[in-house]
Amino acid sequence: EVQLLESGGALVQPGGSLRLSCAASGFTFSTNAMSWVRQAPGKGLEWVAAIGDSGVTTYYADSVRGRFTISRDNSKNTLYLQMNSLRAEDTAVYYCAKDKPGTTWDSWGQGTLVTVSS
Amino acid sequence: DIQMTQSPSTLSASVGDRVTITCRASQSITTSLAWYQQKPGKAPNLLIYAASTLESGVPSRFSGSGSGTEFTLTISSLQPDDFATYYCQHYGSTSNTFGQGTKLEI
Repeated sequence: EVQLLESGGALVQPGGSLRLSCAASGFTFSTNAMSWVRQAPGKGLEWVAAIGDSGVTTYYADSVRGRFTISRDNSKNTLYLQMNSLRAEDTAVYYCAKDKPGTTWDSWGQGTLVTVSS
Repeated sequence: DIQMTQSPSTLSASVGDRVTITCRASQSITTSLAWYQQKPGKAPNLLIYAASTLESGVPSRFSGSGSGTEFTLTISSLQPDDFATYYCQHYGSTSNTFGQGTKLEI
């Protein structure tokens, strides 16, 4: 069974930094692209970033490009999201999601809450 | 950037009803479209991908159709478990865009 477990969410001040982790199990992590998707309180879903299976290729939403960095450690079956220069509008539940090859995401974690506030 | 527009934003229906949700893309996306169901406090659940392919384990009362810029999600006979929020999503190699969601209410 595929399991994705996010961690690292916290309350952080504007301008601060945070690193999220997503521990994966139940599938061959090193052969799947992965993404982060977020959802602000009471709002819709927003894709944040994606990374290829080897970690070489990365993509970002315009809203986070230059501030967030997606990475992975295939030896640890873990996905990361380094978030810098955080803003109030980055407040959201952050989900990691596993790619269904050639399509979209077929498995999601339970999410971790990031709150940016002074 | 491709924009995805869902309608309606809210839909009131009853158990047993047939309902349809529409999603329009700002430009052609061929069939690179998925539908998700999300319940409060839970992660989204993939229902349909490639516009009309039912994800494994999803009940057959869910169906999707369309190509290009106009897509629909149909639930043939609503069950109590189906009352949730539904999102369409365009997926691509470099970007992904969601519709704003449709809340399906009793």
